[in-house]
Amino acid sequence: AQSVTQLGSHVSVSEGALVLLRCNYSSSVPPYLFWYVQYPNQGLQLLLKYTTGATLVKGINGFEAEFKKSETSFHLTKPSAHMSDAAEYFCAVRKATGGFKTIFGAGTRLFVKA
Amino acid sequence: NAGVTQTPKFQVLKTGQSMTLQCAQDMNHEYMSWYRQDPGMGLRLIHYSVGAGITDQGEVPNGYNVSRSTTEDFPLRLLSAAPSQTSVYFCASSFRTASSTDTQYFGPGTRLTVL
Repeated sequence: AQSVTQLGSHVSVSEGALVLLRCNYSSSVPPYLFWYVQYPNQGLQLLLKYTTGATLVKGINGFEAEFKKSETSFHLTKPSAHMSDAAEYFCAVRKATGGFKTIFGAGTRLFVKA
Repeated sequence: NAGVTQTPKFQVLKTGQSMTLQCAQDMNHEYMSWYRQDPGMGLRLIHYSVGAGITDQGEVPNGYNVSRSTTEDFPLRLLSAAPSQTSVYFCASSFRTASSTDTQYFGPGTRLTVL
């Protein structure tokens, strides 16, 4: 069975500070991993995904995430937060061996202070 | 391209009423799915479809029906609404089902309240 744990339902950072959103997964088979962002009253939008190859994945809006198999983690980072980054972020996992059912984490709401 | 569209945006129902949430995509995607989003629980898969005429259950299918008569449309039916179905509903689609790397595109959501 697969599962996703996002540490911290709320994270608050100052504008210009480092953003770090934590995600740990559990999977009995190699996973594909995703980060989505949801702005208020909108649907989810893909930020980045890890499938195969390079473990450091770069996404849109300056975000990146690193797949660490030994730590079963896929933390999302951005060097310098912007006010427009305030949103809810979801980590998700899908089996790499086929299938398309995606398991989502509970989400982390990011607040950015001026 | 309009992408994934959902109607209505908001709906209030009384317990026992029925309704259909509409979802359409114009990207010729094979795979479509319905999720519900509840506070602190992320998104949970209700039903999905891998192509016209083919549907299957997700994690939380009880109380919901779906059909897929065309590639473009994937309506979600609540036969007898219950307060536990108060939630935000998202429809999503992706191009292929054979590849699990394909990106899912989400609609803007329908906020449903059942009194």
